[in-house]
Amino acid sequence: GAGVSQSPSNKVTEKGKDVELRCDPISGHTALYWYRQSLGQGLEFLIYFQGNSAPDKSGLPSDRFSAERTGGSVSTLTIQRTQQEDSAVYLCASSLAPGRGAEAFFGQGTRLTVV
Amino acid sequence: GNSVTQMEGPVTLSEEAFLTINCTYTATGYPSLFWYVQYPGEGLQLLLKATKADDKGSNKGFEATYRKETTSFHLEKGSVQVSDSAVYFCALSDPNFGNEKLTFGTGTRLTIIP
Repeated sequence: GAGVSQSPSNKVTEKGKDVELRCDPISGHTALYWYRQSLGQGLEFLIYFQGNSAPDKSGLPSDRFSAERTGGSVSTLTIQRTQQEDSAVYLCASSLAPGRGAEAFFGQGTRLTVV
Repeated sequence: GNSVTQMEGPVTLSEEAFLTINCTYTATGYPSLFWYVQYPGEGLQLLLKATKADDKGSNKGFEATYRKETTSFHLEKGSVQVSDSAVYFCALSDPNFGNEKLTFGTGTRLTIIP
């Protein structure tokens, strides 16, 4: 597709359940980011992929959060045993070469609500 | 580590007023600097960028100049419009020390009233 695609766009889940969020980056973009945007908050960095490897996982808030990227393309963010504080908009972005100041293109996000 | 500090919001201005949103940064190397904008109901999109000291990024009447001496990248517009109402995020990427992630400020909500 032309842009970064995220699915689902909305997800309501019960506390304690696991959820998977998917990101399809722009074709050819080697860098992929996950961010979290909580109500009234800024963008909280979660994880960064360069190709299939994740050199920076420093933002994952707990061991309930994990992410993988396969084939240098699609990425999945998994949250296990969801808690109410996990409710937020999860944003994915991709970029050609962030180190050279390349633009990061963002998806529309997945709005996660844990009830 | 790297960080971005931007002006606390919300900011409310009348149409045609002059806008400044302050942004300062801390980085270990020579970062690239960005302003992103999030219009109501839309995703984040790049507004402008600058990749080295003294560069000026500009787009849609907005400007920001990369000032290394003051570690700043303030966003300015001479005459704002109602359609500029959005949340603005200052950000940096700093690859020189192996840190390629984008670091964002907390965002500044701007409301323009007619």
